[in-house]
Amino acid sequence: GAVVSQHPSRVICKSGTSVKIECRSLDFQATTMFWYRQFPKQSLMLMATSNEGSKATYEQGVEKDKFLINHASLTLSTLTVTSAHPEDSSFYICSAREGGHEQYFGPGTRLTVT
Amino acid sequence: QKEVEQNSGPLSVPEGAIASLNCTYSDRVSQSFFWYRQYSGKSPELIMSIYSNGDKEDGRFTAQLNKASQYVSLLIRDSQPSDSATYLCAVNSRGAQKLVFGQGTRLTINP
Repeated sequence: GAVVSQHPSRVICKSGTSVKIECRSLDFQATTMFWYRQFPKQSLMLMATSNEGSKATYEQGVEKDKFLINHASLTLSTLTVTSAHPEDSSFYICSAREGGHEQYFGPGTRLTVT
Repeated sequence: QKEVEQNSGPLSVPEGAIASLNCTYSDRVSQSFFWYRQYSGKSPELIMSIYSNGDKEDGRFTAQLNKASQYVSLLIRDSQPSDSATYLCAVNSRGAQKLVFGQGTRLTINP
């Protein structure tokens, strides 16, 4: 149980374009989903917390107009990186929790902006 | 002082020995504690959760929690080369949705 999927697993896009990443909880309803970013050899950095049907709560320093988060249902959250630039290249990971405190992570999406 | 602190390592342990990973946290009202394993290039995987003082065992893994000392540890018995990874300690405070992660300890099991 507690399986979280992400799509795509890897994406390459040109600078200035937008990229959408999907996060799905496959066998449970996720009351809360989280989006993280991780640069090579660095720790996880929480970007935002989203609850189904509510606006996401962004961490300090994360531009909400650049990283659009939609949590439209209890099993799906999306992260859209708008007007991507090379410095946005990173490993984006979502996680989801059902009702307890355990967070289950998706496999991650590796974004490369050229 | 960081909210959750771990020794970044690397920690090298011979195969078959016990690996001991430690974590301290600063928020006294923390109530949920987790250990995640992250292989290089992969996302974190939950391996243990602990909520009350004492030991919790699951296979070769034992989590230990001491709230008075604000200390949580993970023991890995009979270490295997496949246990080589970065281990992340995560803490959740009462009423908070998000987890606070430590920087992770890189563990290497030497055959």
